[in-house]
Amino acid sequence: ETGVTQTPRHLVMGMTNKKSLKCEQHLGHNAMYWYKQSAKKPLELMFVYNFKEQTENNSVPSRFSPECPNSSHLFLHLHTLQPEDSALYLCASSQDWSYQETQYFGPGTRLLVL
Amino acid sequence: KNQVEQSPQSLIILEGKNCTLQCNYTVSPFSNLRWYKQDTGRGPVSLTIMTFSENTKSNGRYTATLDADTKQSSLHITASQLSDSASYICVVTGMDSSYKLIFGSGTRLLVRP
Repeated sequence: ETGVTQTPRHLVMGMTNKKSLKCEQHLGHNAMYWYKQSAKKPLELMFVYNFKEQTENNSVPSRFSPECPNSSHLFLHLHTLQPEDSALYLCASSQDWSYQETQYFGPGTRLLVL
Repeated sequence: KNQVEQSPQSLIILEGKNCTLQCNYTVSPFSNLRWYKQDTGRGPVSLTIMTFSENTKSNGRYTATLDADTKQSSLHITASQLSDSASYICVVTGMDSSYKLIFGSGTRLLVRP
């Protein structure tokens, strides 16, 4: 295991639902990331948090709302999603917010939007 | 435009055989290049990292090479095992006004008995 856990592992939701994804890292890292992985496409960086502060938002639609209450936990709140949002959502952490640092990924949440 | 292209998209080999995966990039300036392995249903795990001054890095049966002049990298897998079946992702760190990670789409490898 990488030290990064994600729950739930699978999620099916309707377009009018509200749900949240949770990520927890046990590595003592200061930076955490949300990625979207769609079939046959490169990973897309969504958000970056460093010491609980959001440092990057890569033009992500407002129906995705991140929350980072402390350096160990990261949430992704979902509401009124579209079918094209179906994907694998990966959380990662690294010692610091430097792309020189290796990122450690969680197993992901497989999301299906109906 | 910064891009990372991987080939082939997918590959099937027999257990025990060697294989080589390719990664071409146009990222400039360049900081480092990583290869990740992603098993089905899991997140990516880092295999190797190389800076522009390094031209080879090994991790067990995995050997990555880098030619910073031609902007090409390869990942060579020796004596493949069934557990090598996974997607292999090339990730390049660019140094523009800030660091950026540029991901390839990955090569899907299937090792058959």
